[in-house]
Amino acid sequence: QKEVEQDPGPLSVPEGAIVSLNCTYSNSAFQYFMWYRQYSRKGPELLMYTYSSGNKEDGRFTAQVDKSSKYISLFIRDSQPSDSATYLCAPMDTGRRALTFGSGTRLQVQP
Amino acid sequence: KAGVTQTPRYLIKTRGQQVTLSCSPISGHRSVSWYQQTPGQGLQFLFEYFSETQRNKGNFPGRFSGRQFSNSRSEMNVSTLELGDSALYLCASSAGLKQETQYFGPGTRLLVL
Repeated sequence: QKEVEQDPGPLSVPEGAIVSLNCTYSNSAFQYFMWYRQYSRKGPELLMYTYSSGNKEDGRFTAQVDKSSKYISLFIRDSQPSDSATYLCAPMDTGRRALTFGSGTRLQVQP
Repeated sequence: KAGVTQTPRYLIKTRGQQVTLSCSPISGHRSVSWYQQTPGQGLQFLFEYFSETQRNKGNFPGRFSGRQFSNSRSEMNVSTLELGDSALYLCASSAGLKQETQYFGPGTRLLVL
C-alpha cells in the first residue's frame, strides 16, 4: 500500500464548476501538506501548503487537512480552462524532510 | 527572485554511461532536494542536501549520488545508466530551516537508450 493515495482521474468539469481533489495517507508523521500543480512537461508549481489540521484559503483555492481521518482536500472554485493540469498532493514528514507525492489527479476544465 | 534552474534541460545517453545534472537553488536557499519522476512510479525522493551535507536519502541504489557546493548549487550523478533511469529529474530548493516549502525547477529530462 502506498503512503499517499490519490485518484489519478482524469477529472473533466465544465468551466465555472467547483472542483474537489482528494488524497488519503497512512503516515502519522506527516505534518506539512502541500499541493502542487504540474502542467505538461513542466516542473511542479507550489499552490498551497498547510501545517497540521485545518483549512487555508488563497483566492479560488482552499486546502483542507483532517489528520484524524488522514484526509487531504483541495477545492477549486470557479474553475478555469487554465486550471487544466495535474494536481499533486505531497505531505511531508519533517523528520525526513522529504515530500511523499500522490500519483496526481489530471484535471481538464472544459470551456 | 530568480527561480530554481536546472541544466541541461534534455539529455540522451546510452546504457552504461554516466550522467551529471546540475541545479541552482533560489538565492538564499540552502537546502536542495532531488526527485525522480516517471510515469510508472510518479515522483520519488532521491536525496536532500543542506550546507554541503546529505541529510536524507531515499530508496535508490548507490548508482545515484549527489553533492552540494558552498554556494548551495547541487549536482546529482547517475553511474552505469540503465534503461529504467529514463525520467524527469527534478530539483527543489527550500530555505532549509523552519520553512519547509519546496520550490521546484523545470527538471532535466533524461532518455537512456
